[in-house]
Amino acid sequence: QQQVKQSPQSLIVQKGGISIINCAYENTAFDYFPWYQQFPGKGPALLIAIRPDVSEKKEGRFTISFNKSAKQFSLHIMDSQPGDSATYFCASGSMFSGGYNKLIFGAGTRLAVHP
Amino acid sequence: EAGVAQSPRYKIIEKRQSVAFWCNPISGHATLYWYQQILGQGPKLLIQFQNNGVVDDSQLPKDRFSAERLKGVDSTLKIQPAKLEDSAVYLCASSLGYLNANTGELFFGEGSRLTVL
Repeated sequence: QQQVKQSPQSLIVQKGGISIINCAYENTAFDYFPWYQQFPGKGPALLIAIRPDVSEKKEGRFTISFNKSAKQFSLHIMDSQPGDSATYFCASGSMFSGGYNKLIFGAGTRLAVHP
Repeated sequence: EAGVAQSPRYKIIEKRQSVAFWCNPISGHATLYWYQQILGQGPKLLIQFQNNGVVDDSQLPKDRFSAERLKGVDSTLKIQPAKLEDSAVYLCASSLGYLNANTGELFFGEGSRLTVL
């Protein structure tokens, strides 16, 4: 299976700081790159996603930066808050003409934001 | 809007026993996924349905795992016989799955945690 490599495995950030999580993919056919957030005991939930036709997407304090030539993308969390403490997964996938999508997830980054 | 429902939330079994998990996706979602999430790892796709047809089951261990989605709505995932390495959270997800209406977002349930002793 095509891999999606995520780093770091864990991250500790002070409140108000910037959290940066990186992801690299292998398959150049991938055309959809989401980030999911997971709290303990819950299923992952979509945080933000990007398509390869743009290099950056921002939603509130969350920004995805995308580098197509390097096959890498990253999540930046500005002004990190204790409530952001969770596990973050990058994913890569393809959208098919039939309307469905297939996603491969990274291994996850456990973020702890200290007050 | 009701989310993805899964049951049971927790299950403890002995190895070589069987277990079944149930999933009810969000109403109107054509695509249904079963993911396996081992502690400390990312979700791994086991099987994906589009309506009641299988789109991808390449990573489903078919000698012990089976899944069905009758009538294109609810789905069950069965493991028989279970092995120690099957201990994981089994996540069900659904998405719209219709051409021109698919944002790509997967909606996950809270998962079914399986412990095999």
